[in-house]
Amino acid sequence: EAGVAQSPRYKIIEKRQSVAFWCNPISGHATLYWYQQILGQGPKLLIQFQNNGVVDDSQLPKDRFSAERLKGVDSTLKIQPAKLEDSAVYLCASSLVGQAEAFFGQGTRLTVV
Amino acid sequence: SQQGEEDPQALSIQEGENATMNCSYKTSINNLQWYRQNSGRGLVHLILIRSNEREKHSGRLRVTLDTSKKSSSLLITASRAADTASYFCATAPAGGSEKLVFGKGTKLTVNP
Repeated sequence: EAGVAQSPRYKIIEKRQSVAFWCNPISGHATLYWYQQILGQGPKLLIQFQNNGVVDDSQLPKDRFSAERLKGVDSTLKIQPAKLEDSAVYLCASSLVGQAEAFFGQGTRLTVV
Repeated sequence: SQQGEEDPQALSIQEGENATMNCSYKTSINNLQWYRQNSGRGLVHLILIRSNEREKHSGRLRVTLDTSKKSSSLLITASRAADTASYFCATAPAGGSEKLVFGKGTKLTVNP
């Protein structure tokens, strides 16, 4: 079974630039999550989708972050404009509806300079 | 906001020894899960314990849950160098949307 795919693996941008991350969840997983993990901390949920609807985006900084999940499969997370404090690993995860276990991708390491 | 707090923050042991990590949380939960993260990689699910369970085993892993104290522990027996990783507890809040709230993690080093 293919896992959660994310790209790119690494990205370096200057502050005030924009960046986008892509995630392809495990086939059949209706629930998709984006987490932000700052160095030395645990992952923090940014947004949760079920199919193409948003379930929870209470911790998404909506002035600069946006996410979409068109057709209920792939998802993109965008940051515009980026700040230094956005430097982190962005993790995508997916799960079956009603299943507690989440499957994580390898993450995208973002460095904002 | 982070729900769980792992303790200790870092743990260094010798191969063959047991490693115990603790997690405390704040609100009522549906379940609690433990994940492992190797350096620079994604998280891997280890074990899940539901709020009505007290203990669960999986291979060399043993998890306990005390809902009255809002705490859990993860025991890794007969540790190996390959167990070196960060370990996170994640809680699924009761009445929540299946989202997971992670703690800050315990960094385990197993020395050969």
